Amino acid sequence: DVKVTQSSRYLVKRTGEKVFLECVQDMDHENMFWYRQDPGLGLRLIYFSYDVKMKEKGDIPEGYSVSREKKERFSLILESASTNQTSMYLCASSPWTENSPLHFGNGTRLTVT
Amino acid sequence: GQQVMQIPQYQHVQEGEDFTTYCNSSTTLSNIQWYKQRPGGHPVFLIQLVKSGEVKKQKRLTFQFGEAKKNSSLHITATQTTDVGTYFCAGPVTTDSWGKFQFGAGTQVVVTP
Repeated sequence: DVKVTQSSRYLVKRTGEKVFLECVQDMDHENMFWYRQDPGLGLRLIYFSYDVKMKEKGDIPEGYSVSREKKERFSLILESASTNQTSMYLCASSPWTENSPLHFGNGTRLTVT
Repeated sequence: GQQVMQIPQYQHVQEGEDFTTYCNSSTTLSNIQWYKQRPGGHPVFLIQLVKSGEVKKQKRLTFQFGEAKKNSSLHITATQTTDVGTYFCAGPVTTDSWGKFQFGAGTQVVVTP
């Protein structure tokens, strides 16, 4: 069974801090994603990676960056956290096959104060 | 840009009743996926529909893909408390790399015993 592990379930950071959210998958999937989930807005794609060191912007990349140095690991970076980045962050992975379903991690609830 | 819309946003159902949630896309989709997120959990893949007019069943859940491949529905028969959660539909982003999906805002289902 695919396992997508996010390093923290809950995180509280201060405004201006640099924040790292880590995600690891164990199924050798090529695609990895970072989504943000807010009430009434559903899941919005922040960044997508289809290979090591490759990345594409999603719908809401502003204020975020990503890193994929190894195939199994995809990191989301908030360079300078702001209160409007308080949200649930979901990492997902999928194989490089057209229209493969996404496998999600348990999520990180980030609060920026 | 491409949009995926779901209605209703909230659905209160008496246990034992039926209900339907709808998903509409602004563009023709090659396929559509449905996910379920239990309270406090992460989205879990339920099913994928590919063919025009396709109907698939999973126990009390019936999924349908429209003839024009621009809309889909999920019908739940004899709702149970285990059906509580948020149901998302997702369509592939047609103008971009494989693997990217646009999610609807979700239908949050509350079941009253």
